[in-house]
Amino acid sequence: GQSLEQPSEVTAVEGAIVQINCTYQTSGFYGLSWYQQHDGGAPTFLSYNALDGLEETGRFSSFLSRSDSYGYLLLQELQMKDSASYFCAVRGTGGFKTIFGAGTRLFVKA
Amino acid sequence: DADVTQTPRNRITKTGKRIMLECSQTKGHDRMYWYRQDPGLGLRLIYYSFDVKDINKGEISDGYSVSRQAQAKFSLSLESAIPNQTALYFCATSDSTSGGNNEQFFGPGTRLTVL
Repeated sequence: GQSLEQPSEVTAVEGAIVQINCTYQTSGFYGLSWYQQHDGGAPTFLSYNALDGLEETGRFSSFLSRSDSYGYLLLQELQMKDSASYFCAVRGTGGFKTIFGAGTRLFVKA
Repeated sequence: DADVTQTPRNRITKTGKRIMLECSQTKGHDRMYWYRQDPGLGLRLIYYSFDVKDINKGEISDGYSVSRQAQAKFSLSLESAIPNQTALYFCATSDSTSGGNNEQFFGPGTRLTVL
C-alpha cells in the first residue's frame, strides 16, 4: 500500500526558518508534491520534486531524497500568513493517482 | 470567475437521503478528482477520472458513485447518506499535458452534514 508520514503540528516564530518533513512508502514513485491550506480554504499547490535535490521558489524550498523515501518543505523568513496546514502528496504508479499525507499544522507566533 | 466551482457549498441532509455534489471547471483540464477531508486525516481520494470515458475508484469509494457528464463536469453522489459521510468534500482538476507535476487545482469545497 501507500502511506505518508508528517508531523501533526509545528510551531515557529515570525522571521524564523521551519522544516516540515515527510516520509513515504509507495508502490512506484513519480514525484512528491506540497500543498498549503489555510483554514476554511482550498489546498493550493506549492511545489513538486520528481528528482533528488532542492527546488527553490521564493521563500519556500522543497527537497527530495528518493533513496531515503524522504522529503521536506523549508519555509524561510516566516510570516504570520504562513500559518496554515501543509500536506505532502505522492504520485505513485498505481493508477497515477496522488495520495496525500494527513497534514502538518504550522503555527507562526509573533 | 473561479476556475473550479462546486455546488452546493453547504448542505445539511438526513440519513438515507440521496445527495449529489456537483463540480464544474473552466480550465480545460482532462483530469478530475473527488476528495473528502476529515480533521486529522488529510485528503482522501474517493474517485478520479482521467477523461470522459475513464472512471476509477480511489481509496474510499464505498458508499459513493460518480458521473463524468462532460470534460468540464464531474458529479459525486451519495446514494443513501449516513452520518459518517459528514465531511468537507473537494473537487480538483489537473492537466495531463502540464509537464508531469500533476498540479491539482481545487474547488472551494462543499461542507456536508448528515444528521
